[in-house]
Amino acid sequence: IAGITQAPTSQILAAGRRMTLRCTQDMRHNAMYWYRQDLGLGLRLIHYSNTAGTTGKGEVPDGYSVSRANTDDFPLTLASAVPSQTSVYFCASSPGLVSDTQYFGPGTRLTVL
Amino acid sequence: GQNIDQPTEMTATEGAIVQINCTYQTSGFNGLFWYQQHAGEAPTFLSYNVLDGLEEKGRFSSFLSRSKGYSYLLLKELQMKDSASYLCAVRDSNYQLIWGAGTKLIIKP
Repeated sequence: IAGITQAPTSQILAAGRRMTLRCTQDMRHNAMYWYRQDLGLGLRLIHYSNTAGTTGKGEVPDGYSVSRANTDDFPLTLASAVPSQTSVYFCASSPGLVSDTQYFGPGTRLTVL
Repeated sequence: GQNIDQPTEMTATEGAIVQINCTYQTSGFNGLFWYQQHAGEAPTFLSYNVLDGLEEKGRFSSFLSRSKGYSYLLLKELQMKDSASYLCAVRDSNYQLIWGAGTKLIIKP
């Protein structure tokens, strides 16, 4: 593994189903982030983690949860998917919080029907 | 509220120069980033400005004026591979990135 990986690449999901998007980084970065990207809108932060064991809410956290059990992994869970959660989801990481560039994974395209 | 404004779309000719503007209103300022995003791909880092002035990196330069809440990305000697969206993002007082919707740049031969 080099950088950040995300799985699955794409997924079609029935409304009401539970779904976990996976994100793994091998750069030993402390901070990790989940964004959603929708047409005509900027990237919007869902949740973040400054270091293993801590998480925080971003701009659009409702309907999503995260955990950070270790440095490398930062899964995003949709407890009960709704069509408005149809989006492209990007995971990102940075060495720290202050003045550090964020590096992005390849994204997961999620469609909720 | 916090706001980042960029033009939605721009068109330029191969070999020419293009300037993509970004204006921002945020709660605090701790740096401005430019990212490039090709269609269907992840954003990739281009430049970072935290002090006023011009930062040059090869064919790409980025300028910042904090007093005006303004930045631009300058792309010289345009190549077809520069066709992409360019995202402006500002790090606010909470050290979170606030993103613009991006500028889609179309390069014509």
